[in-house]
Amino acid sequence: NAGVTQTPKFRILKIGQSMTLQCTQDMNHNYMYWYRQDPGMGLKLIYYSVGAGITDKGEVPNGYNVSRSTTEDFPLRLELAAPSQTSVYFCASRPGLAGVYEQFFGPGTRLTVL
Amino acid sequence: DQQVKQNSPSLSVQEGRISILNCDYTNSMFDYFLWYKKYPAEGPTFLISISSIKDKNEDGRFTVFLNKSAKHLSLHIVPSQPGDSAVYFCAAKGDRDDKIIFGKGTRLHILP
Repeated sequence: NAGVTQTPKFRILKIGQSMTLQCTQDMNHNYMYWYRQDPGMGLKLIYYSVGAGITDKGEVPNGYNVSRSTTEDFPLRLELAAPSQTSVYFCASRPGLAGVYEQFFGPGTRLTVL
Repeated sequence: DQQVKQNSPSLSVQEGRISILNCDYTNSMFDYFLWYKKYPAEGPTFLISISSIKDKNEDGRFTVFLNKSAKHLSLHIVPSQPGDSAVYFCAAKGDRDDKIIFGKGTRLHILP
């Protein structure tokens, strides 16, 4: 099992450009999450999904969009990149079993917006 | 407004001694708490968790204590080892939704 994979590892964007951060998991997990980590800060929840076709906003959803057409994939879309979106982005998944809330994280995507 | 607070940005502990990392929360609807460990340039990895119906959970060198009345939890690592040097995040889940909210983290340095 590869677990949770994220691509790309690094990316530099210009202000106003758009991009999609990819996240795939091969553990058949129902729940998937997107977080961002700014320097010296904790992880802030952007969006999450409890299953294919269902997504919901987290703490900091503005400027982002998500979709969940399959169980495996949960891409995060930035439409008009801004310097404030410079961050490390982590995708995570968990099974969704009752009483089991442990998340498995990907290695992250480091995004710089100039 | 921060719902999960880790007020110590860093902590240094001698190898072999006990490390105690603290976490406070404001939302009384949180029903499950987790601790994660993070090394540089890697994603967080799950360490230990506790349900709000318990006050203690132990796994090897790691013990988490929960004080619901004080809205406080702590992670104890005994004995501390060099490989424990990392950033530790406290996280919490609400009982009404599936959001898992993280604190800012505490950087633990284990000194030789």
